Amino acid sequence: DVKVTQSSRYLVKRTGEKVFLECVQDMDHENMFWYRQDPGLGLRLIYFSYDVKMKEKGDIPEGYSVSREKKERFSLILESASTNQTSMYLCASRIQGIASQPQHFGDGTRLSIL
Amino acid sequence: KNQVEQSPQSLIILEGKNCTLQCNYTVSPFSNLRWYKQDTGRGPVSLTIMTFSENTKSNGRYTATLDADTKQSSLHITASQLSDSASYICVVSAAVHNQGGKLIFGQGTELSVKP
Repeated sequence: DVKVTQSSRYLVKRTGEKVFLECVQDMDHENMFWYRQDPGLGLRLIYFSYDVKMKEKGDIPEGYSVSREKKERFSLILESASTNQTSMYLCASRIQGIASQPQHFGDGTRLSIL
Repeated sequence: KNQVEQSPQSLIILEGKNCTLQCNYTVSPFSNLRWYKQDTGRGPVSLTIMTFSENTKSNGRYTATLDADTKQSSLHITASQLSDSASYICVVSAAVHNQGGKLIFGQGTELSVKP
């Protein structure tokens, strides 16, 4: 079974802090994704990565950056956290380029910015 | 604009009853449609996937249908159980020439099964 592990289930940070969210997958998947999930808005794509050291902006990249130095690890960085970044963050991975294969999700990090 | 709309937003049913969740989409070019189940505090898990040529697919007590002409899908749950309480998310993949498609997510239907 594919396992996608997010480092923290709950996180509380202060406005202006630099925040790191970590995600690790164990299936050698090329593609990895970061989403945020808010009530009434569904999942929205922040950034994704096709492979190591590659990254592409999603639909809402403002205020975020990412890092993919190793294939199994994809980090989401909030450069200067703001209260409107309080949300549930979900990481996912998928085999490269096969549309029939699902994205496998982690259990999420619930981030609160005070 | 690519869009996926689900109805109802929320639903409460009694254990043992059947229910049907709806998904309407305007996504082009269409690649596939997937239903995910998301338990509270967990990440979404794939239930079924349907391509253009498929109109029914089952996974245990879950049956998904797809009408590509009207761009509608439904997820039917038979003999509901308390463990079916979850959010059900419809996701449509737009065919993009690289990287396996772009996903458009619905807002989800929150299902609560009561004893």
